[in-house]
Amino acid sequence: GQNIDQPTEMTATEGAIVQINCTYQTSGFNGLFWYQQHAGEAPTFLSYNVLDGLEEKGRFSSFLSRSKGYSYLLLKELQMKDSASYLCAVVDSNYQLIWGAGTKLIIKP
Amino acid sequence: GAVVSQHPSRVICKSGTSVKIECRSLDFQATTMFWYRQFPKQSLMLMATSNEGSKATYEQGVEKDKFLINHASLTLSTLTVTSAHPEDSSFYICSASSGRVSYNEQFFGPGTRLTVL
Repeated sequence: GQNIDQPTEMTATEGAIVQINCTYQTSGFNGLFWYQQHAGEAPTFLSYNVLDGLEEKGRFSSFLSRSKGYSYLLLKELQMKDSASYLCAVVDSNYQLIWGAGTKLIIKP
Repeated sequence: GAVVSQHPSRVICKSGTSVKIECRSLDFQATTMFWYRQFPKQSLMLMATSNEGSKATYEQGVEKDKFLINHASLTLSTLTVTSAHPEDSSFYICSASSGRVSYNEQFFGPGTRLTVL
C-alpha cells in the first residue's frame, strides 16, 4: 500500500527553528509537495521538490532524498502566524497525489 | 498566483435537501479540478477528479450518484450533494490545475463548510 508518515503534532517557540519530517512509501515518485493549512481554511502551496537536495524560499526550506523516501520542511525565525497544519503530499507513478495526515504545528511565545 | 473561488463559503441545510457548491478559477483555465472533503482534525480526502468536458473520476467509496460533479467549462466546476444527511457535514474544498496530471500545482479554493441539520 501507499503510505505517508508525518508527526501528528509539534510544538516550537517563536523565533526558533523547527523541522517537520515526512517519510513516504509509494508506487513510484513524481514529486513531493508541502502545503500549509490554517484552521478552517484551505491549503496553500509552500513547495514542490522532485530532485534531491534543499530548496530555500525565504524562511521556509524543503529537502528531499528520493533514495531514503524522506523529505523535511524547515521553518526558520518562527512567527505566531506559522501556527498551522503542514501537509506533505507525494505524486505517485500514476500522477495521483497521496496526502499525509498533516502535522499540526503549535508556536508558543 | 492563480486564484480559485468557491461559493458559498458556508451553508446550512435541512436533511434531505440538495446543496450545490461552485468552484471557479478566476485567472486561468483549469483543465482539471479536484474535490476534497475534510473532517475536523483530519487530512484532505480526495473525492473526485474532473477534467473539463469529461465525466468525473470518483475515488473508491465515494458515491457518484450522491456527489454529482459537473465540469462544463475551463473555469467552473460544481459539486452537488444530493439528499444531504448530517453525516455529510464537512469542509468541502476544490482545487484547480492547469494540467491534466495532478502533479501540476493545485490551487485551492477557500472551502465550503456544509452543515446538515
